[in-house]
Amino acid sequence: DQQVKQNSPSLSVQEGRISILNCDYTNSMFDYFLWYKKYPAEGPTFLISISSIKDKNEDGRFTVFLNKSAKHLSLHIVPSQPGDSAVYFCAAGAGSYQLTFGKGTKLSVIP
Amino acid sequence: SAVISQKPSRDICQRGTSLTIQCQVDSQVTMMFWYRQQPGQSLTLIATANQGSEATYESGFVIDKFPISRPNLTFSTLTVSNMSPEDSSIYLCSVDRAGGQFFGPGTRLTVL
Repeated sequence: DQQVKQNSPSLSVQEGRISILNCDYTNSMFDYFLWYKKYPAEGPTFLISISSIKDKNEDGRFTVFLNKSAKHLSLHIVPSQPGDSAVYFCAAGAGSYQLTFGKGTKLSVIP
Repeated sequence: SAVISQKPSRDICQRGTSLTIQCQVDSQVTMMFWYRQQPGQSLTLIATANQGSEATYESGFVIDKFPISRPNLTFSTLTVSNMSPEDSSIYLCSVDRAGGQFFGPGTRLTVL
């Protein structure tokens, strides 16, 4: 059973618009969440994280929102740029270093 | 952030052989992690490697198939033993740092 789900395998957005990537989880023990970006032939790159005591964390163009009651988090990228085109992974952890990852969402930003 | 390198970056291997993947970090870390990403699948944790002790394996992974060494605080190896085509995957090492977990560039393994 997948504990971290990214239900959209792909997403296309026009340059300058907002990209919203979604992630759902089932394990209520998860207490921190992370987003990674991955380009082809490279390892994932850490983007932004949020702990369960917060509902929002912002870093430049990237904002992560956490809705604990819905077991849902989202990553907003505003404005989207062509260089943002990559696969985005949502990950969750439960009080340890071990992370559980979603399958990823491929974002394409169209110039 | 951490600078993490892996060798080899890619390899094509024959069924039944073994491949050892090396991971080097630019500074000392307590724990190193080995992940696998099979085509169309999530990143999956194989094991956690602490220096000076045996690696801790996740469900579905065993030491005989994926032996791990951790001789010091900046280096680790993962061996994929007796390979089959199902082992074709990207293998990544990772370390934990304040603010997140950082990954090496990955080793792309193809087993024929």
